[in-house]
Order: sequence, then C-alpha cells, then structure tokens
Amino acid sequence: TQLLEQSPQFLSIQEGENLTVYCNSSSVFSSLQWYRQEPGEGPVLLVTVVTGGEVKKLKRLTFQFGDARKDSSLHITAAQPGDTGLYLCATLPKAAGNKLTFGGGTRVLVKP
Amino acid sequence: DTAVSQTPKYLVTQMGNDKSIKCEQNLGHDTMYWYKQDSKKFLKIMFSYNNKELIINETVPNRFSPKSPDKAHLNLHINSLELGDSAVYFCASSQGTVYEQYFGPGTRLTVT
Repeated sequence: TQLLEQSPQFLSIQEGENLTVYCNSSSVFSSLQWYRQEPGEGPVLLVTVVTGGEVKKLKRLTFQFGDARKDSSLHITAAQPGDTGLYLCATLPKAAGNKLTFGGGTRVLVKP
Repeated sequence: DTAVSQTPKYLVTQMGNDKSIKCEQNLGHDTMYWYKQDSKKFLKIMFSYNNKELIINETVPNRFSPKSPDKAHLNLHINSLELGDSAVYFCASSQGTVYEQYFGPGTRLTVT
C-alpha cells in the first residue's frame, strides 16, 4: 500500500475542459508538494502547500490542501495541450526518515 | 544553463554488463539524490548524499554503488546489470535536506 494514493490514474480530456486530480492518504502531513513531469523530462515542482485548508493558485492551476492535512487536490481550469503530463504529489513523512515520497501519479492527456 | 544534467540520456546494454550514469548540478546545492522510476511511473528514492556523505541508502541491491567526488557531482555505477534494472533513473539536488528538489532529465536504461 502506497503512502500517497493518487486518482484517477489516467485522465483524457478535450482542450478547454476542466479537470481535478486527487492525492489522498490516511496519514497527516506537515506539507505536500505537486510536481508535473512531461514526457522525457524530470519532475518539476509546481507548488508546496503547508497549512490545512490552504489554497494556492498558479495561473489556471488551483491547489488545495485538505483541512486535516491528509489530502490534496489539483484543479486545472480550461486545460490546454501544454498541461499534458504526469502529475505527482509528494511528501516528506517523518515515518519514512524524511525521504521525499511520491504518489503513483496521474497521467493527464489534453487533446486539441 | 542546465541546472541538473545527466549523461547519458539513453543507455542500452546487455545483461551482465557494468555501466555508469553521471550527474552534475550547477545550482550550488549540497545534497544530491538518485531516484528510480519504473515502467508504471512510480518514482522511488535510492540514495542521497549531503556534502559528499551518504545519508540515505534505501533497500537497493549492492550492485548499485553511488559515488560523489564533490558536492556538484553524483555518479551511479551499476554492476552485473539485470533485466529488472531497466527503468528511468533521475538525479536531483537540493540545498540541505529540504523539500525543494530539482530533477535532471533522466537516463533511460534498457537492459536486454
């Protein structure tokens, strides 16, 4: 069982549609990160959320950290083909010796 | 300028061979990492060095040996390659053992 469960595993939508991906756990985290990985590249950090209930916006991307700090969501408004990629959530759990631990990822495909 | 670079980008080799992957970062960071991403895109830490000292060593076969000649470089040598070693290997760096990690573009290793 993974520490961070991401859903859905795969999402295919048309350009202009909205989408939401989720990152869930039974553990409480002090903070959580979202990365985007494009094909053939390494993950790139998008945001770090640290406060329960926190909402951060990055252009058309909205990130939310759950009130209980056990879950997070990423919402993309009016998706564009450039949003295509693998979205990964990650955290630094003390139980894992403070090693950056990733979820399984959500593959997003935005079709023109 | 590339922040974290890896060579080679692609590596195809036969079972039983020994190969090395090199990583360099020009961010002035003092901590470097090796991650393995399997065919299902699951990203898992293998090793971490802080100021040339090994601080994280996950349950990785001892055929894998990291070496850090200085803070800007972290190489990965793999002996007696096996089919199951086929994956994408990512190098990353950070300042201290903090959250924000910068990833290289990855090395796709294929063992035939």
